[in-house]
Amino acid sequence: EVQLVESGGGLIQPGGSLRLSCAASGFTVSNNYMSWVRQAPGKGLEWVSVIYSGGSTYYADSGKGRFSISRDNSKNTLYLQMNSLRAEDTAVYYCAKHYYGDYEYFHQWGQGTLVTVSS
Amino acid sequence: SYELTQPPSVSVSPGQTAVVTCSGDKLGNRYAYWYQQKPGQSPVVVIYHDSKRPSGIPERFSGSNSGTTATLTISGTQAVDEADYYCQAWDSRTNYVFGPGTKVTV
Repeated sequence: EVQLVESGGGLIQPGGSLRLSCAASGFTVSNNYMSWVRQAPGKGLEWVSVIYSGGSTYYADSGKGRFSISRDNSKNTLYLQMNSLRAEDTAVYYCAKHYYGDYEYFHQWGQGTLVTVSS
Repeated sequence: SYELTQPPSVSVSPGQTAVVTCSGDKLGNRYAYWYQQKPGQSPVVVIYHDSKRPSGIPERFSGSNSGTTATLTISGTQAVDEADYYCQAWDSRTNYVFGPGTKVTV
């Protein structure tokens, strides 16, 4: 059974850094396309970043230069390093697995981890 | 950048048909996807590749996509279908785009 468990969220001051983790089980992270998607309180879904199985990475404009997606194959874990955090980065961050062989959509989602950027 | 639009809300009586639309430039030339999100829960894909249902999704959910509009149809809507529904498409420049979401009230 596929499971995605996010962690690392919390309260952080503006300008600070945070690293989110997504521990995966039931499949191999490095063989799949994996994304981070966020949802601000009471708002809609916003794609943040993707890492392809080949290692290519892409970012939404909102996170370019500040966010970095990576994975640790030995731990079967996906990460999102977030630097220079702003109030508008406050959101629930979901880890999502794309359907195997299809990069276009998000097949399975974790439960999310809340990031609150506030002084 | 590529954008998708959805009506903010749709109201439907139990047992009736709910129709949620999603519009975007030449949307019919790309695949549309639909996600259901209930309060406090993670999104779940209910339609992929315009009209296909993942295993476990009830047959009352169907989809279509043509021209500039993708449509999610819920036939015989049940109270359990009350949720927010998001359409999504992939664009080579914008990557993954979501619509703003539609709240379906039963």
